Amino acid sequence: GNSVTQMEGPVTLSEEAFLTINCTYTATGYPSLFWYVQYPGEGLQLLLKATKADDKGSNKGFEATYRKETTSFHLEKGSVQVSDSAVYFCALTDSGNTPLVFGKGTRLSVIA
Amino acid sequence: KAGVTQTPRYLIKTRGQQVTLSCSPISGHRSVSWYQQTPGQGLQFLFEYFSETQRNKGNFPGRFSGRQFSNSRSEMNVSTLELGDSALYLCASSLAASLYEQYFGPGTRLTVT
Repeated sequence: GNSVTQMEGPVTLSEEAFLTINCTYTATGYPSLFWYVQYPGEGLQLLLKATKADDKGSNKGFEATYRKETTSFHLEKGSVQVSDSAVYFCALTDSGNTPLVFGKGTRLSVIA
Repeated sequence: KAGVTQTPRYLIKTRGQQVTLSCSPISGHRSVSWYQQTPGQGLQFLFEYFSETQRNKGNFPGRFSGRQFSNSRSEMNVSTLELGDSALYLCASSLAASLYEQYFGPGTRLTVT
């Protein structure tokens, strides 16, 4: 079945550091890939998405590129802020009608 | 446009009881999905409703059930609660038949004692 593997957290970074959160997937066909973010006490928010190979999703300074050859969708940000502290989830769906499959989540803490 | 709302936000129940959670999707959204979030298992899909019909179902026991009303509001019910049902229950809505863009509510935190 489909699955998503994310790097274990927590990740602690200083403000303005570079962020990478690794995500790899296993899926049949050609899935669509997503990053969601969950701030403390809130539900999940869609951060960015990519629907085909080599697509780059980007939003709020975050970006991720759909790499079919390495089955990866790593999340990056050049300069993190304290307000980026949250839990980040990588997810996929292999069609528009099937449920999202989520990774376990990676907790990011950014310290000033 | 108002976001996805879930009620109640917090709930404490005793083992063996049953509980009903409610979700109101974004206006115009016809698909509602439910997820269970726990520290150990992460986010797990429960079920999805579209136009009052269950379209997808996750791997949960029959104690977990749901329904959707004609106004797209959805409820989920858990009967004979177990300690392991303690979790954050998240509802997400999306437009029409596509599940690509799902918008999540803040969740209902259920504690079973």
